[in-house]
Amino acid sequence: AQSVTQPDIHITVSEGASLELRCNYSYGATPYLFWYVQSPGQGLQLLLKYFSGDTLVQGIKGFEAEFKRSQSSFNLRKPSVHWSDAAEYFCAVAPSGGGADGLTFGKGTHLIIQP
Amino acid sequence: ETGVTQTPRHLVMGMTNKKSLKCEQHLGHNAMYWYKQSAKKPLELMFVYSLEERVENNSVPSRFSPECPNSSHLFLHLHTLQPEDSALYLCASSQDLTARLHYGYTFGSGTRLTVV
Repeated sequence: AQSVTQPDIHITVSEGASLELRCNYSYGATPYLFWYVQSPGQGLQLLLKYFSGDTLVQGIKGFEAEFKRSQSSFNLRKPSVHWSDAAEYFCAVAPSGGGADGLTFGKGTHLIIQP
Repeated sequence: ETGVTQTPRHLVMGMTNKKSLKCEQHLGHNAMYWYKQSAKKPLELMFVYSLEERVENNSVPSRFSPECPNSSHLFLHLHTLQPEDSALYLCASSQDLTARLHYGYTFGSGTRLTVV
């Protein structure tokens, strides 16, 4: 079964600084990979996804993520964060071969933006 | 507004109460899901419906009872809950079961449930 690890429970970044949130997955083949964001009191919104092809994928709100097969990672990046980016971020993986359980989510990383 | 609407937004219920959570989507999706989100834990998939038929039941206690009367509506009926059931309950939908693997889910804003 696939699994997802987000090593950082909390990340604090100054407004305007760059951001990188880490995600590592465990799966035998190349999975489908996702990043979601959850603002306080809201559901999860899809930021971006990776299936195949170009390993650098662009998403909404200025986010991007890079798939690195050799490191089993799919880290989320943003060059300059805004106060509105403060939220919970979830990495998720789905088996490319299909699977009854659908997506497996990480525990999330809480992003705090300092003024 | 994501296209998936959940009501109520907040619910406080006693352990002997019976209540229901409602989810509605007008995206034309054929698959709907209930997730439980507890603090410091990954999202837990509870129930999966495809074309109004329950597809999966991930070892959820019987005090949670889902209902899918049509492809646009999904309910979660609650009875004799425990305090540890307090959580954010999220409804999600996808075009179909395969599409969730390719495109992910569309989530509602959730119902914050507190069991007292």
